Amino acid sequence: DTGVSQDPRHKITKRGQNVTFRCDPISEHNRLYWYRQTLGQGPEFLTYFQNEAQLEKSRLLSDRFSAERPKGSFSTLEIQRTEQGDSAMYLCASTPRAGSELETQYFGPGTRLLVL
Amino acid sequence: KQEVTQIPAALSVPEGENLVLNCSFTDSAIYNLQWFRQDPGKGLTSLLLIQSSQREQTSGRLNASLDKSSGRSTLYIAASQPGDSATYLCAVSLSGGSNYKLTFGKGTLLTVNP
Repeated sequence: DTGVSQDPRHKITKRGQNVTFRCDPISEHNRLYWYRQTLGQGPEFLTYFQNEAQLEKSRLLSDRFSAERPKGSFSTLEIQRTEQGDSAMYLCASTPRAGSELETQYFGPGTRLLVL
Repeated sequence: KQEVTQIPAALSVPEGENLVLNCSFTDSAIYNLQWFRQDPGKGLTSLLLIQSSQREQTSGRLNASLDKSSGRSTLYIAASQPGDSATYLCAVSLSGGSNYKLTFGKGTLLTVNP
């Protein structure tokens, strides 16, 4: 399978615990995005990487959230001291290159987080 | 701030019917508009992408139109099938430096009954 993959697919944690999600984009896609989707809502943009550089962070990404893409390939999203309001689907997407109106974002299957 | 609205929120139709899903956006300075499909508990699959300079795109039984000046797009599905049942999401990106950032509507939940 050469699509975007995410791990784990599901995560249940207790409030206050730290969690980390991983995203593997399509090979050679240099742009990577994280979105969050709560029930009944569309996805909301969280952050964006071009290669290893994190170029934009939404104000939705509080200090408890950190994302990395150390070698410009896979990315991790960590949430520290989880809160019940963090319960959501976390989606990762990638695109092959910059500057084309024709590029579409290819989404992974998402990681569903439930904070008890 | 760009806002995207999708109407209706839910739609139930019998198999074989043609249907239209609506999307509106508040800022007409868009880079492109995309329609996605999302099955329950799954990620998003891109259906159609319309460039800001285009009026419509077609793929099989799907046709999407764009009227940038009025801030509207429609997704037309011909001869609907039960397998079309899913949530359909509209997303726009703004022109300018942040053209990679998608703003989504809440989606239309489509049920096609056999």
